[in-house]
Amino acid sequence: GQQLNQSPQSMFIQEGEDVSMNCTSSSIFNTWLWYKQDPGEGPVLLIALYKAGELTSNGRLTAQFGITRKDSFLNISASIPSDVGIYFCAGHFPGTASKLTFGTGTRLQVTL
Amino acid sequence: EAGVAQSPRYKIIEKRQSVAFWCNPISGHATLYWYQQILGQGPKLLIQFQNNGVVDDSQLPKDRFSAERLKGVDSTLKIQPAKLEDSAVYLCASSPHRQATNEKLFFGSGTQLSVL
Repeated sequence: GQQLNQSPQSMFIQEGEDVSMNCTSSSIFNTWLWYKQDPGEGPVLLIALYKAGELTSNGRLTAQFGITRKDSFLNISASIPSDVGIYFCAGHFPGTASKLTFGTGTRLQVTL
Repeated sequence: EAGVAQSPRYKIIEKRQSVAFWCNPISGHATLYWYQQILGQGPKLLIQFQNNGVVDDSQLPKDRFSAERLKGVDSTLKIQPAKLEDSAVYLCASSPHRQATNEKLFFGSGTQLSVL
């Protein structure tokens, strides 16, 4: 079946460090979305990407839509304690415009 | 602007019992979704409504799960009878967009279901 794999599965970093995580797909994607989920809450959209090669920033966050349309990465610069949470990539496989597929998630822990 | 409201926040039941979850989407949002999130996994779509019509229920286990969206606003998701593997967080989301590829979902806080 169609899958989205994220790596790393979890990360432990110190405050102030930069973070990079990525997402790979078994098929090409039309859309890449990055969400963050805090404990006990629903996911919140961080960045949306709609074109291959697109690079988009949102504050300290930067995400790119891979040229092959099968991958995307998310970078967080100068991490702070409130960056703690689970980061999910998500998107629409071609032919499934009504169905948003989520990745396996990357759990981020930030230590002081 | 009020967000997506869900209740209850937590529910503990025994297997073979029935349970229902309620969702009130953001006012004016035409599209409503129910997702299931098993611990350690990403959310998985169960059903999508456009107003009060079902757009996609291909991943809904219809032998035990049912959902309705009365009058195109509030929605309920029911499980009858529950199984152990139904233990998960059930997330409701809504979107104002009709074009699926441009959708940006707003999620509620979810209902955490434990089936014993």
